[in-house]
Amino acid sequence: GENVEQHPSTLSVQEGDSAVIKCTYSDSASNYFPWYKQELGKGPQLIIDIRSNVGEKKDQRIAVTLNKTAKHFSLHITETQPEDSAVYFCAASNPRNFGNEKLTFGTGTRLTIIP
Amino acid sequence: EAGVAQSPRYKIIEKRQSVAFWCNPISGHATLYWYQQILGQGPKLLIQFQNNGVVDDSQLPKDRFSAERLKGVDSTLKIQPAKLEDSAVYLCASSLERANYGYTFGSGTRLTVV
Repeated sequence: GENVEQHPSTLSVQEGDSAVIKCTYSDSASNYFPWYKQELGKGPQLIIDIRSNVGEKKDQRIAVTLNKTAKHFSLHITETQPEDSAVYFCAASNPRNFGNEKLTFGTGTRLTIIP
Repeated sequence: EAGVAQSPRYKIIEKRQSVAFWCNPISGHATLYWYQQILGQGPKLLIQFQNNGVVDDSQLPKDRFSAERLKGVDSTLKIQPAKLEDSAVYLCASSLERANYGYTFGSGTRLTVV
């Protein structure tokens, strides 16, 4: 099955600086890569996603890049703000079985923005 | 649209007791997932339903865990008997049809087994 590794496990950045979180996946057939943000006491919330036919996607201060050859994808947050502090999860979906797709999650990155 | 509803939010039980969690997905979402999230880890899939049928329960510890989805809408997840290592947040998620359109998660139920 799919295996997703995520680094770093914790990340502290000064407010206004950029943060980068990296993930690698094992199954070359995976074609959908979402990123989730989880705040304390809440469920994960989808913040951005990318499909395998795209190399980069941006949404305001958030961007995701995908390198299918290397099987890795990254989340970039620019101009970080205190409200960006949370745990971030990457995930990958394997379409090998139609109707049976499911997300395999990374282990999470705790991002702390230092005012 | 209303989100994924879960209850209860918190539950504390003694080991060997039983517990049940309830989930109401977003209206019209055919696929429902139960995930277990142990503190400091990513969510791990327990079971996936498509309408009221089980698609994948390969990671569900069937000797103690059971789940059902009545009429293809609400779902319950039960643990009987509970063990200390079952302490975790149990997350329910739903998607319109396929995971490749993204999940919407509920807020989860935090279970503590003492």
